[in-house]
Parts: sequence; structure tokens; C-alpha cells
Amino acid sequence: SAVISQKPSRDICQRGTSLTIQCQVDSQVTMMFWYRQQPGQSLTLIATANQGSEATYESGFVIDKFPISRPNLTFSTLTVSNMSPEDSSIYLCSVARAVNTEAFFGQGTRLTVV
Amino acid sequence: AQTVTQSQPEMSVQEAETVTLSCTYDTSESDYYLFWYKQPPSRQMILVIRQEAYKQQNATENRFSVNFQKAAKSFSLKISDSQLGDAAMYFCAWGGSGNTPLVFGKGTRLSVIA
Repeated sequence: SAVISQKPSRDICQRGTSLTIQCQVDSQVTMMFWYRQQPGQSLTLIATANQGSEATYESGFVIDKFPISRPNLTFSTLTVSNMSPEDSSIYLCSVARAVNTEAFFGQGTRLTVV
Repeated sequence: AQTVTQSQPEMSVQEAETVTLSCTYDTSESDYYLFWYKQPPSRQMILVIRQEAYKQQNATENRFSVNFQKAAKSFSLKISDSQLGDAAMYFCAWGGSGNTPLVFGKGTRLSVIA
């Protein structure tokens, strides 16, 4: 298994501000994934964080709004920029230790924008 | 693109009884994996069971088992002897070959009645 530490676990932020979420893994992984889970909904992939290159964003998500860093093989950050109440969600990071294995998840960050 | 469909938004089961959660998927790939994840109110995504598409034998993990029908693209989860701690959101997920992110269904909220 993989142990993932995600911080903060929750936050309440003012609209127009930014929040950076950190994801630390206990071992090196090739790819890290960031998901958004809106209240009562499923997980939607935001982007794939690649080490040494820019993140790959899914349709509907852009780098200016959700910049991602991946400085090494055990760490990544997701920033939610210029927040609005519509950004209130749970944000989860996820990794797969090897090809064709299950994904492991951080404990999620519950973000509320007021 | 792959899709995962969970047609039961909510299910309930009496404690100690058996319940089956449905999942269908669509893919053109021949090599893939299927998963059931549990998400309790703590938000932590927990792997319940996984199935490799190339295996005909249905996966089993203690009280949890799947009915994998590859031709029908169906992957249901059976929970036997339901316990109060089984109450959670359950997500069916598809994973392709290679280090790609999982595709999730919309989830089924399971309630366990004492």
C-alpha cells in the first residue's frame, strides 16, 4: 500500500483568495492524480501531475485556475486560485504504486469558499 | 472513452442481510481492471475489492464478492452479513493498462439498518 498525507484536511476561505493543497507520499511514484468531488457527487479528475513536466489537465480544468507543482517523485501541490463558492468541494490526491494496481488516496481536503 | 454507470443512487440493507450493488461499464480495451471503493463519512477512499479482466474467477474478500460478467460488461458487488460499518458511499471504478487514472461511477449510498 501507499501512505499519503494530504494537507490541510479542511479550510474555509474567502472568495478571491487562493489555497494550496499538499500531497506527500511515503515512497516514489511516477504519477499523481488530483480529483475534485463536489458535494454528494463522484470523483472528477482535474489533472495528472507529472514529475519534470507540466501537468496534464482534463477538459474543463485549466492551469491558471488549478496550477500544479510536482517537484519530485513523492510530493505534489494543487492550488485553487481566485476561489469562488463554486469551488467548494473535496479535493483528493491519488497515486498508483505500480502499473495496473489499485489507486491509493489521501484523506481529502474539504474546501469551503465563503 | 470509458464510462462507468451505477444505476442505484441509494440502497439500504438490514444488518446481517445481503445486498448487491450494480455497476456496468463500457470500454473497447481488452486489458483492464475493475475496482470497488468505499468512502465513509471520513472521506477516505478505501479499496474494497479488485478484479482483473483477464481472470474468469470472481474476486472475493471476506464478506465482499463480485459477479464479473465480462461479455455483459457488468461488475456487481455483493456484501454478505452486512454490518453497520458497511454504511458508506460505494464507487465502482475502471482502470486501464498503464499508469492511467481511474474512471469512477457516480456512486451508491448504502445504508445499513440495525
